[in-house]
Amino acid sequence: AQSVTQLGSHVSVSEGALVLLRCNYSSSVPPYLFWYVQYPNQGLQLLLKYTTGATLVKGINGFEAEFKKSETSFHLTKPSAHMSDAAEYFCAVSGGSNYKLTFGKGTLLTVNP
Amino acid sequence: DAMVIQNPRYQVTQFGKPVTLSCSQTLNHNVMYWYQQKSSQAPKLLFHYYDKDFNNEADTPDNFQSRRPNTSFCFLDIRSPGLGDAAMYLCATSRDTGSSTDTQYFGPGTRLTVL
Repeated sequence: AQSVTQLGSHVSVSEGALVLLRCNYSSSVPPYLFWYVQYPNQGLQLLLKYTTGATLVKGINGFEAEFKKSETSFHLTKPSAHMSDAAEYFCAVSGGSNYKLTFGKGTLLTVNP
Repeated sequence: DAMVIQNPRYQVTQFGKPVTLSCSQTLNHNVMYWYQQKSSQAPKLLFHYYDKDFNNEADTPDNFQSRRPNTSFCFLDIRSPGLGDAAMYLCATSRDTGSSTDTQYFGPGTRLTVL
């Protein structure tokens, strides 16, 4: 079985500040990890994914995430928040023969001017 | 641009009145998924098609059905919508399921309101 825990259902940052959204996973097989972003009344857009290889993954809109096996984490970061980053962010895991995505509960990011 | 399209974006129906939501894709992907997402919750997989093979999740109510007449289109039918079925319905596609690295691409969703 796989699971995802996103720490903090709501994160608020100032424009220009560091964005850090936390994701921890549980998986009995090597995980494949994803971050999706959802803007209000929109579908999910893939930000980045980790499959194998380099543990630091760069995505769109200046986001990146680092896979840390020892910590079972896949935290999402962005050095400088922009107002347009305000959205809900979902971490998801799949792996092994399980192609289905297991999502975390999401983190709502608010960016203050 | 290749994409996943959902129509309509907003749908209002009455309690108990059947409703159909539509999804189409230009990605030529083998797999199409339907998710239900209630307010402030994660998406929940209802079912998916691998080509013409239908795969239902164990906890998906019988009230929800799906059709995939061809590679490009997939429909979600709610036979008798209840107030609890009000949600965002998301369609997604992936090239395959043979590899866990197959990325799912999502459409913009249909917001269903049940009166």
